[in-house]
Amino acid sequence: DAGVIQSPRHEVTEMGQEVTLRCKPISGHNSLFWYRQTMMRGLELLIYFNNNVPIDDSGMPEDRFSAKMPNASFSTLKIQPSEPRDSAVYFCASSRLLWEQYFGPGTRLTVT
Amino acid sequence: GNSVTQMEGPVTLSEEAFLTINCTYTATGYPSLFWYVQYPGEGLQLLLKATKADDKGSNKGFEATYRKETTSFHLEKGSVQVSDSAVYFCALSDGSSNTGKLIFGQGTTLQVKP
Repeated sequence: DAGVIQSPRHEVTEMGQEVTLRCKPISGHNSLFWYRQTMMRGLELLIYFNNNVPIDDSGMPEDRFSAKMPNASFSTLKIQPSEPRDSAVYFCASSRLLWEQYFGPGTRLTVT
Repeated sequence: GNSVTQMEGPVTLSEEAFLTINCTYTATGYPSLFWYVQYPGEGLQLLLKATKADDKGSNKGFEATYRKETTSFHLEKGSVQVSDSAVYFCALSDGSSNTGKLIFGQGTTLQVKP
């Protein structure tokens, strides 16, 4: 079975540009989570979905961030406009069994 | 609310030394407890889990026992290897939702020297 797939693995962009991160969860999983990891703030939960419905987006830092899950096999996290402080590693994770999350390899975002 | 507290790192050990990484939690109800490991440049991987009091989770020589009386889930390994160098995260299930949300500790970096 393929694990959680994220793309791109690395993204370098200029301040003000739109950034879209993509995630394909493990087939059959019904919950999907977006995290951000930085040295300063550690691992932060941004938003999570259950059965494609956003359940809690209280971790989304501001309106520049948005996330969608149009179907069970795809989700996006969009930042518009991007800022240097958005530089981080963004992880997607999915789960089926209660509480056991499987993480993707992450997208390393650098905003200059 | 639910929370997890881990010992601060980095923890630096010589190869074959005994490892303990402390983890304590605050939670209502009966959460499940987890240890995740993150190797450099990778995502988090589930290392072990325990779903009820007195359960012992184990994997790859690591083990942790769910202690409800002390609200702890300390990670131990009898003899660490250089390849165990990574960041270790303790986590618990958030009982306020039924969607698999986890509460993570801040992570503890382990460095094993040959």
